[in-house]
Amino acid sequence: DIQMTQSPSSLSASVGDRVTITCRASQNIVRFLNWFQQKPGRAPKLLVYAASTLQTGVPSRFSGGGSGTDFTLTISSFQPEDFGTYYCQQSYNTPRTFGQGTKVDI
Amino acid sequence: QVQLQESGPGLVKPSETLSLTCNVSGGSITTYYWNWIRQPPGKGLEWLGYIYHSGSTKYNPSLKSRLTISVDTPKNQFSLKLNSVTAADTAVYYCLAGDYATDAFAIWGQGTMVTVSS
Repeated sequence: DIQMTQSPSSLSASVGDRVTITCRASQNIVRFLNWFQQKPGRAPKLLVYAASTLQTGVPSRFSGGGSGTDFTLTISSFQPEDFGTYYCQQSYNTPRTFGQGTKVDI
Repeated sequence: QVQLQESGPGLVKPSETLSLTCNVSGGSITTYYWNWIRQPPGKGLEWLGYIYHSGSTKYNPSLKSRLTISVDTPKNQFSLKLNSVTAADTAVYYCLAGDYATDAFAIWGQGTMVTVSS
């Protein structure tokens, strides 16, 4: 199985901060990397797919980057509604695997 | 816009079979491929498996052949059966749609909590 490791595990952000979350894959996954945001009691929501393509309707302050084994999700200007837990997930092969999550609070 | 809704018992006894159904509305079941994911309380996400509308499946080996996913195209539904459950199978179970073009989990159900307890 491909192991996905996120860092940091948690962080606190202020409104307007630039926030970056890192995801590392245990092997080359090219650009088969997706990012999700989950709020308490809710299903995860797709933010970014194929490493850097923003899902329709997602604010442009979110961006994804990277390839191979190292990826990032950046929030250019943190907003109060951006709190939650963020997960990366590889779609290179099966079993599909997720990072352990990064909890972001204000 | 496709919407998904899980249904099934919220409580299952140990050693019995957990059965859930996902109803697909607002679109055809042939448009996406269909997945199940679970999330134990306070923990991360685990992909369980997927099925194409043709019936072809792929499962997470960690479930050791306990899992069966099936699709009922005329009813626009797909289902999960997990047998020999233990307390470790207690989780929120999500059904979701995988997009063939992007291979991303684009649409999620709201999730259903299943507790394994006697």
